Amino acid sequence: GENVGLHLPTLSVQEGDNSIINCAYSNSASDYFIWYKQESGKGPQFIIDIRSNMDKRQGQRVTVLLNKTVKHLSLQIAATQPGDSAVYFCAENVNQGGKLIFGQGTELSVKP
Amino acid sequence: KAGVTQTPRYLIKTRGQQVTLSCSPISGHRSVSWYQQTPGQGLQFLFEYFSETQRNKGNFPGRFSGRQFSNSRSEMNVSTLELGDSALYLCASSFSGEGTEAFFGQGTRLTVV
Repeated sequence: GENVGLHLPTLSVQEGDNSIINCAYSNSASDYFIWYKQESGKGPQFIIDIRSNMDKRQGQRVTVLLNKTVKHLSLQIAATQPGDSAVYFCAENVNQGGKLIFGQGTELSVKP
Repeated sequence: KAGVTQTPRYLIKTRGQQVTLSCSPISGHRSVSWYQQTPGQGLQFLFEYFSETQRNKGNFPGRFSGRQFSNSRSEMNVSTLELGDSALYLCASSFSGEGTEAFFGQGTRLTVV
């Protein structure tokens, strides 16, 4: 089925280190992207978004980078904390109303 | 401001039965989308409603249906339940859908036995 691929299914980092989660998307027409964090037993939580007319956007401790040439997204988390442990999904909006196509997810594990 | 509310949180149904799930979007949001999440398939788009009209539909059989009311609340229905329908069903609301932030509810965990 439709899918946005993630390069790494699991990522383990030391507390305080920076984390980078990658995502490859397949549709060059996608013009809006969102990163979500999902903790066990909860719904996906909005982290940060970026539009296709930008290549970088920063939030609190998070930065999203968009490379349209190679259809690649990344989420950088600075000074990773144990509370950042979760599954992270990228999602793309392909100019089709509210439909989002999700990647398979990357599980981030933060070691104290 | 209240978030997206989904009810019920948990459901256990028997094969062949039908089920209705409810989603109340964030106040002012007119787009409601539904997703199915399973370990094997990840997050799969079911359909989107905007102003009481289905605007998008995913690749699910006709047993999956939905509707949206004038207050933007949405329901989805699954008829003739199969074991494979066991999943977390998530609803997301956004102001207008396309290119706008989408926020998810906690989901309804459906188990079909």
